[in-house]
Amino acid sequence: DQQVKQNSPSLSVQEGRISILNCDYTNSMFDYFLWYKKYPAEGPTFLISISSIKDKNEDGRFTVFLNKSAKHLSLHIVPSQPGDSAVYFCAASGDDYKLSFGAGTTVTVRA
Amino acid sequence: GAVVSQHPSRVICKSGTSVKIECRSLDFQATTMFWYRQFPKQSLMLMATSNEGSKATYEQGVEKDKFLINHASLTLSTLTVTSAHPEDSSFYICSATSGLNSYEQYFGPGTRLTVT
Repeated sequence: DQQVKQNSPSLSVQEGRISILNCDYTNSMFDYFLWYKKYPAEGPTFLISISSIKDKNEDGRFTVFLNKSAKHLSLHIVPSQPGDSAVYFCAASGDDYKLSFGAGTTVTVRA
Repeated sequence: GAVVSQHPSRVICKSGTSVKIECRSLDFQATTMFWYRQFPKQSLMLMATSNEGSKATYEQGVEKDKFLINHASLTLSTLTVTSAHPEDSSFYICSATSGLNSYEQYFGPGTRLTVT
């Protein structure tokens, strides 16, 4: 049973524009959320996270928004750059510190 | 900081043999390490959690006798796929946390296992 869902398998965006990646979760016990970036044949690298006590966290070009009532979070990347082309995974965790991952969204930034 | 390595990066083995994959935290002590498996175009699925010096905790549906995990030190965990079969072919990734009660995991580069 997939507790974290990324319903868009792919996203194509022009360089300089905003990329918006969405993630939904079903487990109300999740209280910490993370976004990871992954290149082919490599492990995921941590991007940004947010605790359930916040609704927004910003780090440079990356901003994560959390809507607890809707069990929804999103990652905004602005401006998008060619190096941002990768697979982005949303992950969620509860008090056991285990991560549940979404299926990923492949982002392609067009020049 | 927070670098995790895996060895080997790729391995091809014959059906019925066993394969060992190493996961090392290079610049920090990893109290907890996790092992994941990723099928093509799918999510990372947690297989097991290992704490240094204790037995690993396996997720439901993961055969502990098939996937042997040893976390002998604070910088090394190993996953041994015993009597490998073609359906075990997958991308195996480990991660480590640098402290207690830490949500943020640092991932290794992964190991591509192909069983022929």
